[in-house]
Amino acid sequence: AQTVTQSQPEMSVQEAETVTLSCTYDTSESDYYLFWYKQPPSRQMILVIRQEAYKQQNATENRFSVNFQKAAKSFSLKISDSQLGDAAMYFCAYRRSVGSSNTGKLIFGQGTTLQVKP
Amino acid sequence: DADVTQTPRNRITKTGKRIMLECSQTKGHDRMYWYRQDPGLGLRLIYYSFDVKDINKGEISDGYSVSRQAQAKFSLSLESAIPNQTALYFCATSSGLSGEQYFGPGTRLTVT
Repeated sequence: AQTVTQSQPEMSVQEAETVTLSCTYDTSESDYYLFWYKQPPSRQMILVIRQEAYKQQNATENRFSVNFQKAAKSFSLKISDSQLGDAAMYFCAYRRSVGSSNTGKLIFGQGTTLQVKP
Repeated sequence: DADVTQTPRNRITKTGKRIMLECSQTKGHDRMYWYRQDPGLGLRLIYYSFDVKDINKGEISDGYSVSRQAQAKFSLSLESAIPNQTALYFCATSSGLSGEQYFGPGTRLTVT
């Protein structure tokens, strides 16, 4: 069974600085997707970034980028130029590759609460 | 209007009561999911459905049931609520093609 682990329950960063959130996963699959979701105090789950396992290039979305290390089964999120609005809980998630026999379900890590200090 | 809606947004109920959480979507997606969020555990899958006639248990389905009334509606029921079902519940949808999941705003359920 696949598992996702976030070993940092809480992190803090100074506004305008850079922070990296860690995520490791375990799977025997070779094709899959990885995601980072943001959950602000509003509770809404917001997709931040996604990575396809077959792609070697790390995904980037504006100030958010990932370091995907497939062999190490590591998927960290880097937030550059941190802003107060980045304060939230961040979840790492795994999903098997989409296919007719696939449930499409997401497997989540425990979450990391990010505090941004002004 | 939001693509995925959940009602109610917050609910307090007593042990032993039956409660239904509702989810509606306007995205036209075929797949719908119910997750439960607990502190320190992340989100875990309760039930999922690929269409009206296809409903499947997730990893923590005990104590829950679901109904897919239409492609756009997927309800979660707690037949006899217990305090350890106090949690944040999310509905999500996805298209079978892209697989991207879109979440509703969540329902905060408290069982006293």
